[in-house]
Amino acid sequence: EAEVAQSPRYKITEKSQAVAFWCDPISGHATLYWYRQILGQGPELLVQFQDESVVDDSQLPKDRFSAERLKGVDSTLKIQPAELGDSAMYLCASSLETSGGSSFFGPGTRLTVL
Amino acid sequence: LAKTTQPISMDSYEGQEVNITCSHNNIATNDYITWYQQFPSQGPRFIIQGYKTKVTNEVASLFIPADRKSSTLSLPRVSLSDTAVYYCLVGDIRDNAGNMLTFGGGTRLMVKP
Repeated sequence: EAEVAQSPRYKITEKSQAVAFWCDPISGHATLYWYRQILGQGPELLVQFQDESVVDDSQLPKDRFSAERLKGVDSTLKIQPAELGDSAMYLCASSLETSGGSSFFGPGTRLTVL
Repeated sequence: LAKTTQPISMDSYEGQEVNITCSHNNIATNDYITWYQQFPSQGPRFIIQGYKTKVTNEVASLFIPADRKSSTLSLPRVSLSDTAVYYCLVGDIRDNAGNMLTFGGGTRLMVKP
């Protein structure tokens, strides 16, 4: 069964450092999402791509976060500089353009900022 | 996007049927209802989606009344492995509107032996 791949699975960094997360969606999925999930809360959408274009990044803290999906396939989410409050699980999900809302999530990257 | 309200937590026992209700009073005409399941340290997993009446798959059933202001996820004969957080999402899933769905706090289901 096809899966969404994410790396790394775990990342520990010090505040003010830069971190980057990678996501490879299911082949053929045009829509890609990045979510942030703080422990005990539901996932919060950060950015949504349709192919290589950003559909919605209204919740992305653009002063420190950036996301790209240059060729419309895999994607990178970057934080620079990281802050203590960025400690969370970062989830990537993808869906077919015509699938109607049933997204497939990756295993996530657990970020700890010290 | 319609806001959803779910119970924070529920307890059940193995073999019982569990019904989790979600309220979405402001649901729009084009909104669908989608449920996800999430285990600790894993990404959410799609369970079921519906627009009206009843939808059933191999995992669960989804009941949606005529006014669509609420929905109920039904899990038949739960087992310990069904212990998880269940999220109800409501949103417009048409292609030109994107598939952006907003997660709420979810319902933490604890299944006991």
